Amino acid sequence: DIQMTQSPSSLSASVGDRVTITCRASQGISNYLAWFQQKPGKAPKSLIYAASSLQSGVPSKFSGSGSGTDFTLTISSLQPEDFATYYCQQYNSYPPTFGGGTKVEIK
Amino acid sequence: QVQLQESGPGLVKPSQTLSLTCTVSGGSISSGGYYWSWIRQHPGKGLEWIGYIYYSGSTYYNPSLKSRVTISVDTSKNQFSLKLSSVTAADTAVYYCASRSELGNSDYWGQGTLVTVSS
Repeated sequence: DIQMTQSPSSLSASVGDRVTITCRASQGISNYLAWFQQKPGKAPKSLIYAASSLQSGVPSKFSGSGSGTDFTLTISSLQPEDFATYYCQQYNSYPPTFGGGTKVEIK
Repeated sequence: QVQLQESGPGLVKPSQTLSLTCTVSGGSISSGGYYWSWIRQHPGKGLEWIGYIYYSGSTYYNPSLKSRVTISVDTSKNQFSLKLSSVTAADTAVYYCASRSELGNSDYWGQGTLVTVSS
């Protein structure tokens, strides 16, 4: 299985901050990478697919980049509703695997 | 917009079979173009992909669970189901059903259902 490593595992940030989360794959996955946001007690919500394409309805403050093994998710200006846990997922090869998550907390 | 809803027992005894059903609304499983999946999340932990079924009935299971998992589809009811046999406490988790388009540009999840394995 392809291992997905996210960093950091948690971070504290203030409203208005620019936040970047990284995800590294144990082998090349082209651009078959998705990002999810999960709030407590809720299902994950897809934000980005194909490494950099925004899902319909997702605000443009979210952006993704990368290809191969290294990827990033950026939130341009953190808002109160963005405090959540974020997961990356590769779907280049089966089984699809998720990163361990990055919890974004209020500073 | 596609909506998914999991249903099934919230408590299963060890060694028994966990059975869940996902009912799809707002779209048809038989129309194709989507992978219908089950994913689980152990309490306070990350996400684990269990397997998927395509409308044609083709399946793929996570090798770590393959010997115990069966995913099936009932297109007449617009439902797909998960069976996980010989459960232990380690199978206690929130189970989600989800669908993803072939291109990845549509991705929907059910709200999740907690299944506890305990005697």
